[in-house]
Amino acid sequence: QVQLVESGGGVVQPGRSLRLSCAASGFTVSTYGMHWVRQAPGKGLEWVAFISYDGTKKYYADSEKGRFTISRDNSKSTLYLQINSLRVEDTAVYYCARNYYGSGTYCDYWGQGTLVTVSS
Amino acid sequence: ETVLTQSPATLSLSPGERATLSCRASQSVSSYLAWYQQKPGQAPRLLIYDASNRATGIPARFSGSGSGTDFTLTISSLEPEDFAVYYCQQCMDWPPITFGQGTRLEIK
Repeated sequence: QVQLVESGGGVVQPGRSLRLSCAASGFTVSTYGMHWVRQAPGKGLEWVAFISYDGTKKYYADSEKGRFTISRDNSKSTLYLQINSLRVEDTAVYYCARNYYGSGTYCDYWGQGTLVTVSS
Repeated sequence: ETVLTQSPATLSLSPGERATLSCRASQSVSSYLAWYQQKPGQAPRLLIYDASNRATGIPARFSGSGSGTDFTLTISSLEPEDFAVYYCQQCMDWPPITFGQGTRLEIK
């Protein structure tokens, strides 16, 4: 069965960096695009970034451009999100999700998320 | 960027009743719209994609309709496990992908 397991969250000071990981299994990871979506405490869902199956295409939400970097290592079936210059408003649960192509692009499987808390 | 507005913010109904949730887009998204369900402490679950197609394993009581700017998620007869928060998502002009702010479906 499809499994996505995020890790790397925790409490971090403003201005520091963090790398989140998402270990994927149960499907051929190298044939699927992947997303990161975040959710601030008590708030709605916010799309963060997408990477194509082979890593050649990367898209970001405008608010994250320059500070966030999405990457993947298909040999390790792992997705990454590097976040630099962390801000208090980056506090959220970060989910990785598998891309699903209907006519549009959607997220059909999600991990349980990893909590990032930015606080001094 | 396409803004999605969901209504109502909260919907209070009883098991067995019919639920109708709305999602309106600030510009046409054709049929590139999905619905997700999220329960407390859990990740979202894809219910409907391309406006009206049920995702794998989703019960037939869930249906989606609409195109352009106005969309509806209907739950024909509420089960106790359906009380949750529901989000719509568009991908017509992505990036970015955008989500609505959510509708909380609560037990009356």
